[in-house]
Amino acid sequence: GAGVSQSPSNKVTEKGKDVELRCDPISGHTALYWYRQSLGQGLEFLIYFQGNSAPDKSGLPSDRFSAERTGGSVSTLTIQRTQQEDSAVYLCASSLDGQVPNSPLHFGNGTRLTVT
Amino acid sequence: AQSVTQPDIHITVSEGASLELRCNYSYGATPYLFWYVQSPGQGLQLLLKYFSGDTLVQGIKGFEAEFKRSQSSFNLRKPSVHWSDAAEYFCAVGGDAGNMLTFGGGTRLMVKP
Repeated sequence: GAGVSQSPSNKVTEKGKDVELRCDPISGHTALYWYRQSLGQGLEFLIYFQGNSAPDKSGLPSDRFSAERTGGSVSTLTIQRTQQEDSAVYLCASSLDGQVPNSPLHFGNGTRLTVT
Repeated sequence: AQSVTQPDIHITVSEGASLELRCNYSYGATPYLFWYVQSPGQGLQLLLKYFSGDTLVQGIKGFEAEFKRSQSSFNLRKPSVHWSDAAEYFCAVGGDAGNMLTFGGGTRLMVKP
C-alpha cells in the first residue's frame, strides 16, 4: 500500500521567504509527527498530532514554525521568514494510533530544504 | 528526560565482517527501544524494536540487538555485513515522554569491498 508521502522532495528558497512543506500520512493513521534532520545531526522532534487532540508543539524551535493538520489527514509545516539555519531535511512520520510500543512510526522520504 | 547516545559517528567495515553499532540510552521507567536504518535519499525504516521479554531481539535484514539494562545499552549487531547495508543507522527510545521517540545522532556505516 501507499506509504507516507512528502512534497516537495527538494525546496530551495531565499532567506526571508516563507515555505510550506506537505505530508500525506498513511490512510487510517491517526498519529502524525514532524522531525528535522540537520546535517550530521540526529532527528529533532518538532510537533506531534494525535487524532482531534491539541498537538504537542514542544519541539518547535521558534514562533516562525507552525503546523496544521486538516481533517485528521494531510499536514502542512510552515516556516516563515526562513533563515539559513533552517536548512535541513524535514521528515514526516505517521503511526496507527500513536502508541509507541505497538504502533511503529512509518517515515516519508523527507523534504530537503535549502535556504540561500 | 529520555535521551540516546550513539558514540560512533562513522564506522567502516569490510564486506563479510561482523558489525556492532553502539547505543546508550537514559529513560525514566520502561524503555521502548528501536533501531532504524536510513538509506541515501530515503526515509527511516524500522529494523527492530524491544519492549519487554527476551533481551535479544531479531529484526529484518539479518540484524539483531541486545538490551542490557545494567549497561543501559541496546547495541545492534550483524554477523556478516553486505555492501547493501551501507546506510545511516539510528537508535531511538520512547515511553518516557508520551508518544514521542527520541533519536540518537546516528552512525554512518560504510562497507569496503
